[in-house]
Amino acid sequence: DGGITQSPKYLFRKEGQNVTLSCEQNLNHDAMYWYRQDPGQGLRLIYYSQIVNDFQKGDIAEGYSVSREKKESFPLTVTSAQKNPTAFYLCASRGGTGDSNYGYTFGSGTRLTVV
Amino acid sequence: AQSVTQPDIHITVSEGASLELRCNYSYGATPYLFWYVQSPGQGLQLLLKYFSGDTLVQGIKGFEAEFKRSQSSFNLRKPSVHWSDAAEYFCAVGAKTGSWGKLQFGAGTQVVVTP
Repeated sequence: DGGITQSPKYLFRKEGQNVTLSCEQNLNHDAMYWYRQDPGQGLRLIYYSQIVNDFQKGDIAEGYSVSREKKESFPLTVTSAQKNPTAFYLCASRGGTGDSNYGYTFGSGTRLTVV
Repeated sequence: AQSVTQPDIHITVSEGASLELRCNYSYGATPYLFWYVQSPGQGLQLLLKYFSGDTLVQGIKGFEAEFKRSQSSFNLRKPSVHWSDAAEYFCAVGAKTGSWGKLQFGAGTQVVVTP
């Protein structure tokens, strides 16, 4: 079955350490997105990518980096510059243009905790 | 810029009773509108979406939503709630053009179902 796979499900980071969250999709979707979820704040956009080798900053990109070397993969790195990284991270993808493709398919998320 | 407001942070409803979740949006034109549901520790699942046409939209799991342009609202309803409907619900809005398919999410409404 097609879908989005996020790994790991749980991740622990020490102070000053970079960590990378994986997001892989086999839906042949062009666009991919990373959101951060904190209690009571909904989802906030970190980065998004419409095509391979291109990505754009979202609303809260500081302290994060991404790459899009393959259509299927959109990994997110949480750097040591992100001062409050503890959150639930969601990856999503969207098919091509047109009304029928508008709307996301979500992965099951990665919970990152600073220890 | 578009924005979404979900006025109710938390709703408690008895099993078998009706449920209505409120969503108000701010956008200069008719947006794309969505309702998603999230179970604890999971990703978001699309319940329904509105693009154009009939303002009453049917979704999965017995949910429906009504788009009211005059009130800038897109409220979600279910006639009879089941215990499995306990979850967090998110309203989202997207622009039809020029937004790279980005969605703006509300802060969410937590639904508790009592016996």
